[in-house]
Amino acid sequence: AAGVIQSPRHLIKEKRETATLKCYPIPRHDTVYWYQQGPGQDPQFLISFYEKMQSDKGSIPDRFSAQQFSDYHSELNMSSLELGDSALYFCASSFPGEGPYEQYFGPGTRLTVT
Amino acid sequence: AQTVTQSQPEMSVQEAETVTLSCTYDTSESDYYLFWYKQPPSRQMILVIRQEAYKQQNATENRFSVNFQKAAKSFSLKISDSQLGDAAMYFCASHYGGATNKLIFGTGTLLAVQP
Repeated sequence: AAGVIQSPRHLIKEKRETATLKCYPIPRHDTVYWYQQGPGQDPQFLISFYEKMQSDKGSIPDRFSAQQFSDYHSELNMSSLELGDSALYFCASSFPGEGPYEQYFGPGTRLTVT
Repeated sequence: AQTVTQSQPEMSVQEAETVTLSCTYDTSESDYYLFWYKQPPSRQMILVIRQEAYKQQNATENRFSVNFQKAAKSFSLKISDSQLGDAAMYFCASHYGGATNKLIFGTGTLLAVQP
């Protein structure tokens, strides 16, 4: 079965640089979620999109922005990177008809800021 | 505030034995869903089992089952016949429906399986 695809899988950036993370949801899934998991921590919700509109917002810094495109893929743009942004970034997707609120996670993008 | 608490940072079980991981949550919502996710060393988040709050019957998926005590706001995961591949971090998570889409995770329990 098709899964959530994230690219790149690993990314190394320097402080103050910009990074773009991409997420391709499972086919037919119309909702995308972004989570940030710091070292030794649980995933923290950043933002979600439903049918290309922002549906919920969590603890996402103002330096970050995201959007969902017409093909339902999503991009998380991160600017003025800080050392504390080093984390594993997960994208998840869901479709209401496939179980209530079940979110299927991608493999994650490991971002390292040096 | 809606919270999820896992009070066991680490647990250990012998292969083929049974282990129970604890989770409690706090909410005033009536419509919510509870999940257990497994995160092996690969860091992939894998859905193990889910429970709808309106269902009284405990969910079961093969060797995995839950003990859902709604009044006590408790949602424990039982792993039977533990296997080496069960070794992972296990996160309890909640979804409260309505306008919010986010999963709220507990801090996780690291499960070791001894051969």
